Amino acid sequence: NAGVTQTPKFQVLKTGQSMTLQCAQDMNHNSMYWYRQDPGMGLRLIYYSASEGTTDKGEVPNGYNVSRLNKREFSLRLESAAPSQTSVYFCASTRERNEQFFGPGTRLTVL
Amino acid sequence: KQEVTQIPAALSVPEGENLVLNCSFTDSAIYNLQWFRQDPGKGLTSLLLIQSSQREQTSGRLNASLDKSSGRSTLYIAASQPGDSATYLCAVRGAGNNRKLIWGLGTSLAVNP
Repeated sequence: NAGVTQTPKFQVLKTGQSMTLQCAQDMNHNSMYWYRQDPGMGLRLIYYSASEGTTDKGEVPNGYNVSRLNKREFSLRLESAAPSQTSVYFCASTRERNEQFFGPGTRLTVL
Repeated sequence: KQEVTQIPAALSVPEGENLVLNCSFTDSAIYNLQWFRQDPGKGLTSLLLIQSSQREQTSGRLNASLDKSSGRSTLYIAASQPGDSATYLCAVRGAGNNRKLIWGLGTSLAVNP
């Protein structure tokens, strides 16, 4: 079991560029999540997907879109990156009893 | 609105000490509470999950307790080691259909040899 995997690990973008962060889990979990983590702000939920085919906004969805491609994969897209989106992005998934498991993160810098 | 607070924000102890990390929450209607560890530059690792009906969970040198009525959880680390140095976060999941976790800001622990 690889658990939750994320690609890429690091990315540098220029303002206005677009990119997609990929996330996959091999634990057959129904729910998947995207968070961002910033110093002093803790973890903030961007979007989540309770099951394949459904997505919902979290606390900070503006500037992001998501796709739950299938049960395994949940991608996060930045259509027009802004410096305020410089952050560390984590994908997570949840099993029964709602224990949450995290990927290693993507460190994104927007210049 | 649920709020989660972790005090202290940082803690430095000598190796071998037993220590307690605190997590408090404002709404006692929770489904469960989870403790995580985060090493610098890394992702989060789940340590312990306590369901709302449970009072404590143990894993090795770690013991987490839950007191819903007072809105508190503690993570007890026995015989601390330098390898325990990390940031410890707690997160609360609300009751009902709420599938979102509410996070504390964490306690940064340094265990000195």
